[in-house]
Amino acid sequence: EIVMTQSPLFLPVTPGEPASISCRSSQSLQKSNGYNYLDWYVQKPGQSPQLLIYLGSHRASGVPDRFSGSGSGTEFTLKISRVEAEDVGVYYCMEGLQILFTFGPGTRVEIK
Amino acid sequence: QVHLVESGGGVVQPATSLRLSCAASGFTFSNYPMYWVRQTPVKGLEWLAVVSYDGSNKNYADSVKGRFTISRDNVQNTLHLQMSTLRAEDTAVYYCVVRDEGYCTGGSCYSFDYWGQGAHVTVSS
Repeated sequence: EIVMTQSPLFLPVTPGEPASISCRSSQSLQKSNGYNYLDWYVQKPGQSPQLLIYLGSHRASGVPDRFSGSGSGTEFTLKISRVEAEDVGVYYCMEGLQILFTFGPGTRVEIK
Repeated sequence: QVHLVESGGGVVQPATSLRLSCAASGFTFSNYPMYWVRQTPVKGLEWLAVVSYDGSNKNYADSVKGRFTISRDNVQNTLHLQMSTLRAEDTAVYYCVVRDEGYCTGGSCYSFDYWGQGAHVTVSS
């Protein structure tokens, strides 16, 4: 079983400022093809989770380029270059290696 | 446009059964694996079950194995989750999800990941 952890769990942000969330997995998420099977989701208030980043660093369709993902192996980061008010929500990392995946506990992003 | 619409949620007593359904449209249903995911305030988001594109392979989380059954109808484009011997801890929002593994080819990368709006299930006496 892969365990996913995130930090911080709560992130107050100022609009226009950058923000960063860390994610760690209990085992490497990199396959022999070189890709890292780590996704980032956001769940905005009252909505279902939606995919932001897949394979560690690729933005899903329609995701603004202020969002970026990086990292490899067991350490990953989601960055928002300039936070906007619409970015509030809970951000989850998720491993995509197992048959049934595992989410991290989530990071709640709120505007200061 | 991909649409996933769950139905069948409600309030039920412990030890009873409930069947959730998910109507899919906007994509070729029979080409993709389908999942059920649930969300609770305590355990967060939990992937419960997956069924292969043709229904021949199914996998379950330990928390629901032996009690829940996932199935699909590729003619009606519908996904089901039969839940039995329900417990208070099964109280959750249940999401239907279509997802294919992201991949890159020819210099481009692709993802396919869509969620329904969720069905509320409350197990309480």
